[in-house]
Parts: sequence; structure tokens; C-alpha cells
Amino acid sequence: AQSVSQHNHHVILSEAASLELGCNYSYGGTVNLFWYVQYPGQHLQLLLKYFSGDPLVKGIKGFEAEFIKSKFSFNLRKPSVQWSDTAEYFCAVNPGLSGGYQKVTFGTGTKLQVIP
Amino acid sequence: GAGVSQSPSNKVTEKGKDVELRCDPISGHTALYWYRQSLGQGLEFLIYFQGNSAPDKSGLPSDRFSAERTGGSVSTLTIQRTQQEDSAVYLCASSPSTGHNSPLHFGNGTRLTVT
Repeated sequence: AQSVSQHNHHVILSEAASLELGCNYSYGGTVNLFWYVQYPGQHLQLLLKYFSGDPLVKGIKGFEAEFIKSKFSFNLRKPSVQWSDTAEYFCAVNPGLSGGYQKVTFGTGTKLQVIP
Repeated sequence: GAGVSQSPSNKVTEKGKDVELRCDPISGHTALYWYRQSLGQGLEFLIYFQGNSAPDKSGLPSDRFSAERTGGSVSTLTIQRTQQEDSAVYLCASSPSTGHNSPLHFGNGTRLTVT
């Protein structure tokens, strides 16, 4: 069964600082990778996703993530954070199997607090 | 358009009582998922529906938990004889298909507090 690890549970940054949130997964086959974000008082929403092709994917609000297959990682980055990026970030994986049901597994989340 | 709707948004119940949580997915979405979000635990998978059937119930924590989906639309998660450890936010998500590239669309969740 697949699993997802997010090692940073709580990150505090000042505005304009650079951000990198770690995500590692365990699954031997092809995977599809997601980052979801939950802003305070709002529902979880998709930030970006990787299925195939260019391992560097860009999402909304200036976020990007890089899939490194050899490291089983899909770290989230942003060059310069804003106060409005304060939220909880979840990495998720599902097996890249064709057809049928794929279970989506989430990490434990990273709370990001950006100080103005 | 309308997103995933969950009700109630908050539920406080006494230990030992039964509760029902409702999820109304996005129209036309065939896949429906229930997750539980507890402090420091991330999102814990509970159950998945494809149409009205539940091919994966592996995440239900005990036989006190059950879920059904009728008409390929609304789903109800029932917790019988609630315990304090059931306190959490219960999230519902739907997806247009089970395809591996279909992201999940989440509701706002139901915050359950068992006193």
C-alpha cells in the first residue's frame, strides 16, 4: 500500500521568504501526485498535480512542485511567499493504474504561517 | 456551479448517541470519498463509492461506522454509539471518475464533537 510523508508539520516564514515543503511517498509503480491547500475556514482545493511529462509542474498562485522519481519526492516550492499563503498544505498520491479505482492517500499536512 | 455540500457543518453529540452525516456531491460525479481529519493525523481514508457500490471500505475504523449512497448521488455516513475518539472533521469529496488523473473536489466538512 502506498504512503505519504510530510516531514514539516508547522512552518513559519516571513513574507518574501522562499518556501519548500517536503513530500515523500512510498509506492513502487507509476504514481500521480497532488498538492492540495486548505486556507483558513475554507475547503481543501487542488493546488497542482503531476501525471506525466515535465517533472516540474506549475500550479496556481505561483506554486510549483518537482517530481524526482529517484528520490520518491514531490516537494512544493514558492520563491516568495505572501501572508495570503497562510494555510495547510497536503501532499497526496494515487497509483497511476489504468482504469479502475485508485485510492488517494494523503500526507499528514504542513501548516504554513506567513508573518507579515 | 455548486460544489460538494455537507451537512450539518457542526454536530455536537453525547457519547453513545448515533449520528448521521450527509454529503451531496457535485452533480454527475460518480466517485465519492469519505475522509476523516483529526488534529495532527492528516486525512484518514474511510470509504469510497463508485456509483452506489462501495468497493473499498477498508478505512472504516470499526463496525460502528457505516455508509451508504443512494441514486448514485447523496451519501450518508453513520456512526453508531459515538465515542470521544470519533471527534474529528469528516470530509466528503467527489470526482467525475475514478481515473487516476481526476482530482478530488472537497466539501467544507462536518465537525463532529462527542462529549
